[in-house]
Order: sequence, then structure tokens, then C-alpha cells
Amino acid sequence: KAGVTQTPRYLIKTRGQQVTLSCSPISGHRSVSWYQQTPGQGLQFLFEYFSETQRNKGNFPGRFSGRQFSNSRSEMNVSTLELGDSALYLCASSSRDWLSEQYFGPGTRLTVT
Amino acid sequence: KQEVTQIPAALSVPEGENLVLNCSFTDSAIYNLQWFRQDPGKGLTSLLLIQSSQREQTSGRLNASLDKSSGRSTLYIAASQPGDSATYLCAVTNQAGTALIFGKGTTLSVSS
Repeated sequence: KAGVTQTPRYLIKTRGQQVTLSCSPISGHRSVSWYQQTPGQGLQFLFEYFSETQRNKGNFPGRFSGRQFSNSRSEMNVSTLELGDSALYLCASSSRDWLSEQYFGPGTRLTVT
Repeated sequence: KQEVTQIPAALSVPEGENLVLNCSFTDSAIYNLQWFRQDPGKGLTSLLLIQSSQREQTSGRLNASLDKSSGRSTLYIAASQPGDSATYLCAVTNQAGTALIFGKGTTLSVSS
């Protein structure tokens, strides 16, 4: 079974721009969660989607948004990028919800200049 | 508010040594605890998942234990190898039903 895939793997953007990251979960998994990883804050939860509905949201500003499609693929969008948004963005999928074992993708490395 | 702490932040051992990584959490009302491995610049690989009703889980040379009442988990690695060098993260899921709450990790270096 193919694992979680994320595209693109690397991205460089300029402050003020917006960016969209994509995540394809493991086949059959309906829950997709997004995390931000930085050296200072570690891994922090952004949001979780299940069957196209956002069920859970972390403590991030409204510039961070996401959505999930009917095939369970998910996208997250960050608008008006700030230097502090530079991070590794990780997507995780699970068969049921956040209570199930989470399987992570390789991440998208976003650099904001 | 749940907080997860991992000590030490870094650990260096010679090949073949058995070692223990520690994870502690402040709120014992967890649903499960998961150990992950992360190689530099890469995503997370799930190692072991322990449900709150379980005391331990084993996979190959890895054994994870959970003591919910004391808010502690340990990851035991037997006969360490250079390929075990990575950052090990533990994460808990609260019964309140939020997402995974991670520790900052222990970076392990195994020298040959």
C-alpha cells in the first residue's frame, strides 16, 4: 500500500504571497491532519479533516486554512506569508480519526524569504 | 493543558548498547501514546502505538511501556545500531479528543 504523499516537497515563497500544499492519504484512510514543525516550537497541530469536514482545529491564525476533497485528498493554504511560517509542514492520515494510529508523509519544506 | 517532555534532548551511545528513552506527560487522561522516529529533514515513521489500557508494546528490538498513573512512557531499544540514529518523538492523544501532542524529541546518535 502506498504511503502518505505530499507535494511539493520543497517550496520557496516571498513574504506576502500565498501557498497551497497538497496531501494524498493512504488509500482507504478518511482522516487527514496537518502539523507544522519548527525548531523552536516543535510539532504543532493545525487542523484535521474527515469526510470533507474540518473536525478539529489548532491554535493558528485564520491565514491558515484547509480543505478535503471527496477522494480524501487534502490541501492546506497559507495566505499573506510571514517569515515565521517557514517550517516543515507534515500531513498525517489515519483510518478513522485522530484516535487511530497516525501515518505521516515526508513533509513539505516551506521557506519564506 | 497537556504537556509532553522528553529527556534527554540528545543521547550518544556506542553500537550494541541497550538504551532507554523517556517521555513524560502532565495529564494522565490520555487515549493513547505513540512513538515516532524522524530522520533529518524527513517525515515521521510510526514505531509503536500504546492504547491507554495497555502497559507495553513490542516490535522487534523496540519495546515501549506506558504507566498512565505516573504520566510516563519509556522506549527501550535493544542492541542499538548506527541505523537507529534519528530523533525519537513521543506523542499523546488526550481523552478530550484533540490531536497528537508531541514532545520535542530525543536525538539519538549510535556510533560504530
